[in-house]
Amino acid sequence: NFMLTQPHSVSESPGKTVTISCTRSSGDVADNSVQWYQQRPGSAPTIFIYEDNQRPSGVPDRFSGSIDISSNSASLTISGLKKEDEAVYYCQSHDKSVWVFGGGTKLTVL
Amino acid sequence: QVQLVQSGAEVKKPGASVKVSCKASGYTFSDYYIQWVRQAPGQGLEWMGWINPDSGATKYAQMFQGRVTVTRDTATSTVYMELGTLRLDDTAVYYCVRGRGVSYSIGDYWGHGALVTVSS
Repeated sequence: NFMLTQPHSVSESPGKTVTISCTRSSGDVADNSVQWYQQRPGSAPTIFIYEDNQRPSGVPDRFSGSIDISSNSASLTISGLKKEDEAVYYCQSHDKSVWVFGGGTKLTVL
Repeated sequence: QVQLVQSGAEVKKPGASVKVSCKASGYTFSDYYIQWVRQAPGQGLEWMGWINPDSGATKYAQMFQGRVTVTRDTATSTVYMELGTLRLDDTAVYYCVRGRGVSYSIGDYWGHGALVTVSS
């Protein structure tokens, strides 16, 4: 199976925009949907993006997802950063009914 | 509303087994797979496997093959995950997750998690 690689941490100031990458090691990122989950300390993850770029109801439109075939990666972009966005974000994809998670990226809003 | 309610925390000794339950409500139980994901303290998410509540078919991650068994009780809309031959590094929070979409790959609802501590 493939691996998904995320940066360990990112930080940015309130009001700015940050992008978290998720690079697929083999196979094409476009072949299987990518999801993004937010996890706050002590809580279960919640889904923030599904099928590459779809937002569940209730997720602010400051959050967006995309894929880039040239870099074989997916990205989560958060604009207008707020302190409440501080969390760990995980990407997840699948192949042959097997789920694969990225290692998670800790977002710090300075 | 959709809910996945898991059993409580457990403490087990190495070599023992643990069985975690996940009771689903608020939707048609047979329509969505249940996935199992675990998270060791301070670590990331690790997929363990799934069950099709309709047929009872299962699929497990290779690293858990032979040690994990996922079953379901359609009468009570409950899924069970049993992990055997526990080791110290099995200490983790175990989540059940409802899977929907293509290949049931979207984890749209998560249980609150069940902490399993393996300690001698």
